[in-house]
Amino acid sequence: KAGVTQTPRYLIKTRGQQVTLSCSPISGHRSVSWYQQTPGQGLQFLFEYFSETQRNKGNFPGRFSGRQFSNSRSEMNVSTLELGDSALYLCASSKQRGGDEQFFGPGTRLTVL
Amino acid sequence: DAKTTQPNSMESNEEEPVHLPCNHSTISGTDYIHWYRQLPSQGPEYVIHGLTSNVNNRMASLAIAEDRKSSTLILHRATLRDAAVYYCILRIHYGGSQGNLIFGKGTKLSVKP
Repeated sequence: KAGVTQTPRYLIKTRGQQVTLSCSPISGHRSVSWYQQTPGQGLQFLFEYFSETQRNKGNFPGRFSGRQFSNSRSEMNVSTLELGDSALYLCASSKQRGGDEQFFGPGTRLTVL
Repeated sequence: DAKTTQPNSMESNEEEPVHLPCNHSTISGTDYIHWYRQLPSQGPEYVIHGLTSNVNNRMASLAIAEDRKSSTLILHRATLRDAAVYYCILRIHYGGSQGNLIFGKGTKLSVKP
């Protein structure tokens, strides 16, 4: 069974640009959550999608957005990039909302110059 | 969300048991105790979770204090591959707005050959 896949794995952007990251959950998983990991703040929850609807959102500015498609694949978008957005962005999937176990992908390493 | 307290780092020798402590004095009745670990350059990986009773699986054991204000993750025989950051997380277990994982700083476990 394939795990959670994230594309691209690495990305370099400049300030002011926007970026879209993609996440394909494990087959049959309907819930997708996104996290940001930085050395200073650690792992922080961004948002959760289930059945194409955002169900929960962390404390991030509106520049961070996402969506989920009917096949459960999810994308997150960051507009007007800032230097502080440089981070590892992790996607996790689970069968249902609040599932016992979340399966994480390898992440996308975003560098903003 | 309830908070957890863990030591910043711990060391272990290979093939010896490891006890990773976690304090969660503000735990509520609906909070489950989850453990995840993150190996270098990888996304977090589910280890184990429990509510009141001690739990065992192929990876580890979880010992929960009677008052549930603390718990201990037990790796029975540490291997070099177990070197990782271990996160103790409290999580409400139903499909509500608090189902997401709130990561703390975790404990960095080093394993010496």
